[in-house]
Amino acid sequence: DTGVSQNPRHKITKRGQNVTFRCDPISEHNRLYWYRQTLGQGPEFLTYFQNEAQLEKSRLLSDRFSAERPKGSFSTLEIQRTEQGDSAMYLCASSLSGGLVEQYFGPGTRLTVT
Amino acid sequence: GDSVTQMEGPVTLSEEAFLTINCTYTATGYPSLFWYVQYPGEGLQLLLKATKADDKGSNKGFEATYRKETTSFHLEKGSVQVSDSAVYFCALTVSGGATNKLIFGTGTLLAVQP
Repeated sequence: DTGVSQNPRHKITKRGQNVTFRCDPISEHNRLYWYRQTLGQGPEFLTYFQNEAQLEKSRLLSDRFSAERPKGSFSTLEIQRTEQGDSAMYLCASSLSGGLVEQYFGPGTRLTVT
Repeated sequence: GDSVTQMEGPVTLSEEAFLTINCTYTATGYPSLFWYVQYPGEGLQLLLKATKADDKGSNKGFEATYRKETTSFHLEKGSVQVSDSAVYFCALTVSGGATNKLIFGTGTLLAVQP
């Protein structure tokens, strides 16, 4: 078990471009979360998957954001027409189901929109 | 809505000093409480947790007690080490919720000097 991995670790893009991030959760974990962390703030919840089903989306997730988790394994987060305000660290976490279980976080993808 | 407030940093201490990082919360339901730690260049790690009033979470010499009457979950350590230098996040999740999404405070940077 290598933990939660995220790729790329860093992404610099120009305003208006599309970007896609990938998260590979711990293999037996069926819950997957995306959070966003801006400088000086704590992580904020974006969206949640139970297996392949996206069950909750935050109001922070505008129409330019889309997340998928095909086959309930890895997940992707795509941002279309990036804006400077999208610059942040995007964190992925995974957990088992059932009760209050620990979420394991990946190292994050740092996005800079110029 | 649910929220977490924690003391602003940075907190700068000498090695072997006593540490307190204050955390208070607001929750509509009955929350579970957590402290996460983020070491430089690494992902968030769960440090300790408490799931009901008067529970004490502990790990690596750190402790925090769930105080329902004061809606607090202050982090303490009797003797800090240089290796404890990190950002500490207080967080909650509302038990019984469908997603177990975490709500974080803004984080407190701890710098321990030798």
